[in-house]
Amino acid sequence: KQEVTQIPAALSVPEGENLVLNCSFTDSAIYNLQWFRQDPGKGLTSLLLIQSSQREQTSGRLNASLDKSSGRSTLYIAASQPGDSATYLCAVARNSGNTPLVFGKGTRLSVIA
Amino acid sequence: DAGVTQSPTHLIKTRGQHVTLRCSPISGHKSVSWYQQVLGQGPQFIFQYYEKEERGRGNFPDRFSARQFPNYSSELNVNALLLGDSALYLCASSHTGTYEAFFGQGTRLTVV
Repeated sequence: KQEVTQIPAALSVPEGENLVLNCSFTDSAIYNLQWFRQDPGKGLTSLLLIQSSQREQTSGRLNASLDKSSGRSTLYIAASQPGDSATYLCAVARNSGNTPLVFGKGTRLSVIA
Repeated sequence: DAGVTQSPTHLIKTRGQHVTLRCSPISGHKSVSWYQQVLGQGPQFIFQYYEKEERGRGNFPDRFSARQFPNYSSELNVNALLLGDSALYLCASSHTGTYEAFFGQGTRLTVV
């Protein structure tokens, strides 16, 4: 059974700092991994999708890496801003890809101005 | 283009009642999935439909059911509501090929 763990559960940083969020998964037989952002009480916004054959993806100040063999992914946020404050969730899809996502519990990020 | 849309956004129901939640996927997406998210937890998978057929079901009781219509929209039905069904219900549609999932804004269900 696939299990996804995110560390830390919460993080508070001053504005401008670079930071790394961690995600680990127990079964390396994944099709892809997605990082999402969730504002309080809202739905999920897709940030980055990494296919199992890829090592990293970048979008603006965000960079996500994937090490499938070790079951790890990191989300790097450069020059953090107060608007980045949210919960960040990682999720993996197994096998063929058209399968349910398994989520971690998320990391709650606060960026202090 | 419109994203995934869900209705209603909020509702309050009494224990024992029935509820129907609705979801319209992104145009061209044929796969729709439903997730339940309780406070402080990640979303938990409930159902997946693809081309109007159920492709997967999570560990939820038979009180939960769903269907997908010819236009790929979907309904999630929950019977005999319990207090523990109070949660944010999320719908996602995905693109065949990349299988990138896109979520709606969710329906906040409160059972009293």
